Amino acid sequence: AQSVTQPDIHITVSEGASLELRCNYSYGATPYLFWYVQSPGQGLQLLLKYFSGDTLVQGIKGFEAEFKRSQSSFNLRKPSVHWSDAAEYFCAVGRGNEKLTFGTGTRLTIIP
Amino acid sequence: DAGVTQSPTHLIKTRGQQVTLRCSPKSGHDTVSWYQQALGQGPQFIFQYYEEEERQRGNFPDRFSGHQYPNYSSELNVNALLLGDSALYLCASSLGVYTEAFFGQGTRLTVV
Repeated sequence: AQSVTQPDIHITVSEGASLELRCNYSYGATPYLFWYVQSPGQGLQLLLKYFSGDTLVQGIKGFEAEFKRSQSSFNLRKPSVHWSDAAEYFCAVGRGNEKLTFGTGTRLTIIP
Repeated sequence: DAGVTQSPTHLIKTRGQQVTLRCSPKSGHDTVSWYQQALGQGPQFIFQYYEEEERQRGNFPDRFSGHQYPNYSSELNVNALLLGDSALYLCASSLGVYTEAFFGQGTRLTVV
């Protein structure tokens, strides 16, 4: 069965500092991997996706993620966070238009 | 492009009642999936509709049912509501096999 683990429930970083959110997955085949962001009471916005090819993928809002098959990881990074990045971040795995399996999320707090 | 639209945005129901939630997919999308997101959790897959048929189903009881219309819009019906059905219900649409899912803003259901 497919699963996603986001080990960090809550992360606090200072504005301008770098960020890395961790994601580990379990999937029986080559996965499609996604990062979504959710502001309070809102839906999910896609930040970036990995389907195949280059393992370093760029997304919106200056985010990037790296797929590491050997570590079953897909960590999200940003070199310098902005106060507007405060939100809940979800990693998800799925293939094609199959169901997505989400992690439990990481809440990001930004300190001025 | 209006993206994925859901209605209503909020509603309150009493235990035992029935509820219908509606979703219009992103223009050009033919597949609609529904997710339940309990407070503090990641979204959980309920079911997916394609060509007016339920293609996949998650681990949800038969009280949860759905429908897809020829224009690809979709409904989620929940019968005999329980307090535990209180959640944010998210609709996602996609096209084809190798594309990502786009989410609506969700419907916040409160069962009292």
